[in-house]
Amino acid sequence: QSALTQPASVSGSPGQSITISCTGTSSDVGSYNLVSWYQQHPGKAPKLMIYEVSKRPSGVSNRFSGSKSGNTASLTISGLQAEDEADYYCCSYAGSSFWVFGGGTKLTVL
Amino acid sequence: EVQLVESGGGLVKPGGSLRLSCAASGFTFSNAWMSWVRQAPGKGLEWVGRIKSKTDGGTTDYAAPVKGRFTISRDDSKNTLYLQMNSLKTEDTAVYYCTTFYTAPYAFDIWGQGTMVTVSS
Repeated sequence: QSALTQPASVSGSPGQSITISCTGTSSDVGSYNLVSWYQQHPGKAPKLMIYEVSKRPSGVSNRFSGSKSGNTASLTISGLQAEDEADYYCCSYAGSSFWVFGGGTKLTVL
Repeated sequence: EVQLVESGGGLVKPGGSLRLSCAASGFTFSNAWMSWVRQAPGKGLEWVGRIKSKTDGGTTDYAAPVKGRFTISRDDSKNTLYLQMNSLKTEDTAVYYCTTFYTAPYAFDIWGQGTMVTVSS
């Protein structure tokens, strides 16, 4: 399995919205509604932000939302806040009990 | 409190071996499908492999870069997950996390703090 494709970096000003894309193939993102998104601050473990494409775990702000179209999933963060500055990773179930991550996107809040 | 705590990381020479452990608490470990995910310095996350619960067969699967060199096992009586790493290469240098899906299907919502493995001569 090849890594999912994410932009290396995105940026936005406080209060703005940004979207991070995650492109896979018909064998992973395109085949399963099992895309998840993780936030990782420096030196910390990843934190689940979105699962099953668009569902939020308890405690995650509703400023975070997810969607999918074809082989591409997206994470949107609205009302950007300084604490949102982090690395974000998408992940997709790829069948046969395998998972594949994206390369990661560094979000800078200007 | 649901918790995963990894241990066993360290410095090892190329070609050497190391065994990582992951102690679980706060949930029914025996029912959990457990995975290892690693992160090389300054790089992204990489799924390493997974072991199913014994009730689901207890089988293991591995990512291509580690298949044949790494072995995942579990001891449900000790609530502990293991990663045996053999024939280590410099490119295996990474922080190794154990993780599982607890409330979110097929998504990793419980993570350990990670343990650093450095492969260097």
